[in-house]
Amino acid sequence: DTGVSQDPRHKITKRGQNVTFRCDPISEHNRLYWYRQTLGQGPEFLTYFQNEAQLEKSRLLSDRFSAERPKGSFSTLEIQRTEQGDSAMYLCASSPLRAGTNTGELFFGEGSRLTVL
Amino acid sequence: AQSVTQLDSHVSVSEGTPVLLRCNYSSSYSPSLFWYVQHPNKGLQLLLKYTSAATLVKGINGFEAEFKKSETSFHLTKPSAHMSDAAEYFCVVTGSTDSWGKLQFGAGTQVVVTP
Repeated sequence: DTGVSQDPRHKITKRGQNVTFRCDPISEHNRLYWYRQTLGQGPEFLTYFQNEAQLEKSRLLSDRFSAERPKGSFSTLEIQRTEQGDSAMYLCASSPLRAGTNTGELFFGEGSRLTVL
Repeated sequence: AQSVTQLDSHVSVSEGTPVLLRCNYSSSYSPSLFWYVQHPNKGLQLLLKYTSAATLVKGINGFEAEFKKSETSFHLTKPSAHMSDAAEYFCVVTGSTDSWGKLQFGAGTQVVVTP
């Protein structure tokens, strides 16, 4: 399977602990996105990368959140000092960059579900 | 700024009957609009997209949507529901050309299909 993969699929942690999620995009895709989805809501944009450059961050991404894509391939999303409000599904998506076109199609992974106790 | 409002949080239909999922949008410029579907324990999948070409857009699995600028709507329809259509559906609008990957999702409509 050559889709977007995320690891771990589920993470249960205690408040105050740090957690890290990994996303492996489709290999030829330049852009990588992180979204967060809470129960009963649609996904919300967090940040995106074009190759290794982080081009935009949402105001939802507090100082406790950091995302990296060091070699322009896989990405990590780290949450420090987790809070109960961080409990959510964290979704990763990727897309190719085609100059001059607006396809709007993102390819999503199955998500990493975080539960903070 | 752009946003979408999905008018129904839950829709229940019988197998073989039509499906209608309603979406209104708000955008300060010509929007690109999409419908994504999320099956349980599966990743979000693009159903169809409108990007200022034909106003009637056909997607996968027999779904289609019509862009109506005068009504600021982008409703999703399917003539005959199948059990496999049970899922959550999201209406989505994207930003300007520079930030088209920054999708704005609606709250979702949960579709239940009964035999």
